[in-house]
Amino acid sequence: GAVVSQHPSRVICKSGTSVKIECRSLDFQATTMFWYRQFPKQSLMLMATSNEGSKATYEQGVEKDKFLINHASLTLSTLTVTSAHPEDSSFYICSAGWGQGNTEAFFGQGTRLTVV
Amino acid sequence: AQSVTQPDIHITVSEGASLELRCNYSYGATPYLFWYVQSPGQGLQLLLKYFSGDTLVQGIKGFEAEFKRSQSSFNLRKPSVHWSDAAEYFCAVGGVRSNYQLIWGAGTKLIIKP
Repeated sequence: GAVVSQHPSRVICKSGTSVKIECRSLDFQATTMFWYRQFPKQSLMLMATSNEGSKATYEQGVEKDKFLINHASLTLSTLTVTSAHPEDSSFYICSAGWGQGNTEAFFGQGTRLTVV
Repeated sequence: AQSVTQPDIHITVSEGASLELRCNYSYGATPYLFWYVQSPGQGLQLLLKYFSGDTLVQGIKGFEAEFKRSQSSFNLRKPSVHWSDAAEYFCAVGGVRSNYQLIWGAGTKLIIKP
């Protein structure tokens, strides 16, 4: 299957700083990428959908100024958590897909963010 | 409303025993159904998917699932579990118009007794 690589796998940052998480499709061109957040012992919550070359579409309740998403190329999307606070600590997962009508997306390994 | 229900928050089975994880969905269009597994601290791995055709689908690691339209269910089964199967299992549903967006169940944690 297609491979999606997410980096870093773990990051600890100080409160008030910004953190960037990368999501790369290694062997295919990802026209669409998704960013999820997963709280402990809960399911995935979709944060935003990004299409290459256009602005991301954020889900209701997700602050677009806090969670900056850039999908500048067909193989890379980034999520930047700005001015991070301890409540932003979570597991963030990206997924990527391609083509029209292809309903399968491939997931990255996830990033464990801890804000101290 | 579109939703996915996994009624069991956690299930404990003995190693070597059979397993069935339940998944029920509510979806207004033709559903595309998925089961994913997540090991602790890891991302998600696709176990199997149903798009069309044979309602009994085979997946990786010896898992299978059966799509029952009349019951709006897509239960995951394995005849004999191994200790390495201990993980969180998520059922998800999507559709052609969803552009890959999936609706996720809350997950079922599988615990294996030695």
